[in-house]
Amino acid sequence: EVQLLGSGGGLEQPGGSLRLSCAASGFTFSNYAMSWVRQAPGKGLEWVSSISESGISTFYADSVKGRFTISRDNSKNTLYLQMNSLRVEDTAVYYCTKGRIKESDVFWGQGTLVTVSS
Amino acid sequence: QSALTQPASVSGSPGQSITVSCTGSSSDVGGNNCVSWFQQYPGKAPKLITYEVSNRPSGVSNRFSGSKSGNTASLTISGLQAEDEADYYCSSCTSSGTSYVFGTGTEVTVL
Repeated sequence: EVQLLGSGGGLEQPGGSLRLSCAASGFTFSNYAMSWVRQAPGKGLEWVSSISESGISTFYADSVKGRFTISRDNSKNTLYLQMNSLRVEDTAVYYCTKGRIKESDVFWGQGTLVTVSS
Repeated sequence: QSALTQPASVSGSPGQSITVSCTGSSSDVGGNNCVSWFQQYPGKAPKLITYEVSNRPSGVSNRFSGSKSGNTASLTISGLQAEDEADYYCSSCTSSGTSYVFGTGTEVTVL
């Protein structure tokens, strides 16, 4: 059974940093690209970032480029999102996904809440 | 990249068919076939229901069907059931092929 368990969320002040983790199990992690998608409270979905299977290629939404860094450790089956210079508008539930958004077997984890507030 | 445009809400009676539209541009929906639809229940993670415009993953009911014409994609739910009451989001890759845009979301209500 595929499982994606997000962690690392919480309350942070504007300008602060957080690192999200997504622990994967139930599939061969290194064979899949991974992504982060967020959803502000009561709002729609927003693609944040994706990373290739090897981790060599990374892609970002303009809204987070230069502030967020996606990475992965294939030996630990874990995906990361380092979030710096946090803004109030970064407040959202952050979902990690197995696979690219367009793929036939994309699967979403349960999400972790990030709140940015003073 | 602006969000794709969806109606805020669509409703129908049990057994009816409804269609949810998703309008973008030639830089996203109209420029490729990587349109997907996701179903989301309150407080839950989204679930894939169609990909590559009109394909269904295994396990998804054939009451869900996707299509596209020009810059507008559509999701049709036939034989509407109470369990179909949820939020639905379209998505498309962009012209770069490496970034994605989602729709604004549609709340489907079964009357």
